[in-house]
Amino acid sequence: AQKVTQAQTEISVVEKEDVTLDCVYETRDTTYYLFWYKQPPSGELVFLIRRNSFDEQNEISGRYSWNFQKSTSSFNFTITASQVVDSAVYFCALSEGLFSGGYNKLIFGAGTRLAVHP
Amino acid sequence: GAVVSQHPSRVICKSGTSVKIECRSLDFQATTMFWYRQFPKQSLMLMATSNEGSKATYEQGVEKDKFLINHASLTLSTLTVTSAHPEDSSFYICSASPLTEQYFGPGTRLTVT
Repeated sequence: AQKVTQAQTEISVVEKEDVTLDCVYETRDTTYYLFWYKQPPSGELVFLIRRNSFDEQNEISGRYSWNFQKSTSSFNFTITASQVVDSAVYFCALSEGLFSGGYNKLIFGAGTRLAVHP
Repeated sequence: GAVVSQHPSRVICKSGTSVKIECRSLDFQATTMFWYRQFPKQSLMLMATSNEGSKATYEQGVEKDKFLINHASLTLSTLTVTSAHPEDSSFYICSASPLTEQYFGPGTRLTVT
């Protein structure tokens, strides 16, 4: 069965600190996709990244970076020099393979609530 | 980028009434649409998967007679909460999937009084 674990329920940091959000996943498939989404107080999900299981290269996008390690089934997300606008709930999600030509359903982790204080 | 809309964004209804939520893909055709539910301070849980022209597939524990899903066209899916009760109050989010991506709508906040 597929499962996503985000052990950190809440994280509180001061602006400009670096922060890493952990994500551990379980799946039996060899083909799968991992995602990170940001959910600000408005509720709308903001897509951050998608990574497929065959691409273990780490990715950097501005202050955001992601570390994908299949050996430990982890897909961690780091925000460098955090800002108040980064305050939100962050979800890691897993999708197994393809379904009828498209993405299968997403299994979300419990989410990590990040509070960045001035 | 692809846009998915939901209507209404907020709805308050009385216990026992039915509420319909629309999910539209505005600039693409969605072969598959998903409906998720999110209770306060909790994660998103998939309720059902719908493919255009066929019956929806419901997740375990979701009452299909209570949450009616219709995916009548490649750009529109509707979720009807029948005989709503206060415990159905939640944030309902749809996502639409063309072949290679999945796009989320802005969500509908349902409050049942």
